[in-house]
Amino acid sequence: DTAVSQTPKYLVTQMGNDKSIKCEQNLGHDTMYWYKQDSKKFLKIMFSYNNKELIINETVPNRFSPKSPDKAHLNLHINSLELGDSAVYFCASSQQGAVTGELFFGEGSRLTVL
Amino acid sequence: SQQGEEDPQALSIQEGENATMNCSYKTSINNLQWYRQNSGRGLVHLILIRSNEREKHSGRLRVTLDTSKKSSSLLITASRAADTASYFCATDANAGNMLTFGGGTRLMVKP
Repeated sequence: DTAVSQTPKYLVTQMGNDKSIKCEQNLGHDTMYWYKQDSKKFLKIMFSYNNKELIINETVPNRFSPKSPDKAHLNLHINSLELGDSAVYFCASSQQGAVTGELFFGEGSRLTVL
Repeated sequence: SQQGEEDPQALSIQEGENATMNCSYKTSINNLQWYRQNSGRGLVHLILIRSNEREKHSGRLRVTLDTSKKSSSLLITASRAADTASYFCATDANAGNMLTFGGGTRLMVKP
């Protein structure tokens, strides 16, 4: 049973295209996240989302948009892809209490923009 | 800049030796967490230490937290080749309680 699953695992596309990465969690968590990991392994928070609030890291371009059809899903849509968008994108979830607890990560989606 | 920064960036040791990784952060925190990432895989939670705790153990892992110095350390005792991975610290200082990660320490344990 995969707790947090992402698809696709690999995605190769041309500059200017629009693409989506899907994420689903079966842990019953109320908060989901998207992180971007660059080639130097730095992890950058992009979004935090629960059914009440979307928190966007202000450095994320508005070409990136999270879409949540329900509590268990948080998809990442990227418009007009650029070379610098190439990275591994990780979805994660947690049960948000007064403070942030343990995050459960997916296996990552490696995006390559040509 | 990163909220958490690990030191060293890379560490190579022999099996059986201890590995120590350090993490420094800039602002007040509620808790600090350590994660492990095997090559090509997602991050896996190892241990969480709260701001009012100074030391915590889990198996061969020992984590310390010094809030006065805004630093934490992760000690892996009696390392094994299977411990080879990248290790990240994460803090929850930012608005919205989003975890912010450091750049990681790449640990290689040679058999």
